[in-house]
Amino acid sequence: KAGVTQTPRYLIKTRGQQVTLSCSPISGHRSVSWYQQTPGQGLQFLFEYFSETQRNKGNFPGRFSGRQFSNSRSEMNVSTLELGDSALYLCASSLQGDSNYGYTFGSGTRLTVV
Amino acid sequence: SQQGEEDPQALSIQEGENATMNCSYKTSINNLQWYRQNSGRGLVHLILIRSNEREKHSGRLRVTLDTSKKSSSLLITASRAADTASYFCATESFDRGSTLGRLYFGRGTQLTVWP
Repeated sequence: KAGVTQTPRYLIKTRGQQVTLSCSPISGHRSVSWYQQTPGQGLQFLFEYFSETQRNKGNFPGRFSGRQFSNSRSEMNVSTLELGDSALYLCASSLQGDSNYGYTFGSGTRLTVV
Repeated sequence: SQQGEEDPQALSIQEGENATMNCSYKTSINNLQWYRQNSGRGLVHLILIRSNEREKHSGRLRVTLDTSKKSSSLLITASRAADTASYFCATESFDRGSTLGRLYFGRGTQLTVWP
């Protein structure tokens, strides 16, 4: 079966711009979680969506938002980009949003803010 | 924070040697998982151990869990150069209401295996 697809793989944006990242989960998976990975903070949870509803949210400012579509694909948006938003953004797909059936991660989107 | 902590931060060994990484965490957990990440790419799930298990094996991997000490270890036997990667432990909490779809990650151990 196809894995988790994240697009784009790399992105360079300017401070103040906004960006949208996409994650297509494994077919049949209804949960998509997003993480930010930086050298300084490590892997930080952003939010989780299940059946188009946000069920859980990490401690990030409101500039970080997301949504999930009826086909389970998810997007995350970052508005008014700051230099500190430069990071690897990972999404994880799972059947129900727990480990019982496992999490599968995408290869990530590397965002650079200049 | 429920975030785990791996020890050591970096480990450098020769091919054929065993590599041991440790993870400590702070709260009650449902399970603990280990992931591998190659050079800033995605995370690959290696093994999951449930809170009622003490040891688990998968190929060259051996994981132990001590819930009384809130710690786990990952042993990679007969290491290969291809095992060079960062290794992360991640926990899933008992408090499902606040942790749906969420894993708490440690900072990782960077393993380098020299040929």
